[in-house]
Amino acid sequence: DAGVIQSPRHEVTEMGQEVTLRCKPISGHNSLFWYRQTMMRGLELLIYFNNNVPIDDSGMPEDRFSAKMPNASFSTLKIQPSEPRDSAVYFCADATSGNTIYFGEGSWLTVV
Amino acid sequence: GESVGLHLPTLSVQEGDNSIINCAYSNSASDYFIWYKQESGKGPQFIIDIRSNMDKRQGQRVTVLLNKTVKHLSLQIAATQPGDSAVYFCAERPDQNFVFGPGTRLSVLP
Repeated sequence: DAGVIQSPRHEVTEMGQEVTLRCKPISGHNSLFWYRQTMMRGLELLIYFNNNVPIDDSGMPEDRFSAKMPNASFSTLKIQPSEPRDSAVYFCADATSGNTIYFGEGSWLTVV
Repeated sequence: GESVGLHLPTLSVQEGDNSIINCAYSNSASDYFIWYKQESGKGPQFIIDIRSNMDKRQGQRVTVLLNKTVKHLSLQIAATQPGDSAVYFCAERPDQNFVFGPGTRLSVLP
């Protein structure tokens, strides 16, 4: 199993541009999480899905952020418009019910 | 004033010695705990887990201890190696979510 796959691994974009981060979870894992990691705040949960349904999006910073999970094998996190303060590492992670969560290698976003 | 960033606690250990990394968790309802290792430029990697009905669990060179009375978790690494240098996070699960600690940086000295 290839694990959780994220793309792009690195992105540099200009302020105001739309950013789309992608995640392919491990097959059969029914929970999916999006985290953001910064030096200021550490690892923060943005949103998580269970069986493709968003369960808790209270961590999503504001309306500029949106996440979707159209099917069990794909999720996106979109930022529109992006701002410099969105610069961070964004991790997708997944789990089976009641069990360990596994992280992808992250998408390193820089907004200039 | 506003902090300029997380100041991670750092543990410096001589190669070959044992390391003990501590974590205080916050929610007495948490029933599952995990330790993760994060190397520079990579995602957090699962090391070992423990459920609340246990107080100790051993893996290869690692042991996790859970003290529910004082809400304390520790990770012991035996015979620490240079490859163990990383940031270590504990995570607790109070509900369907996981809550992560701020992390501890382990530095292995030659």
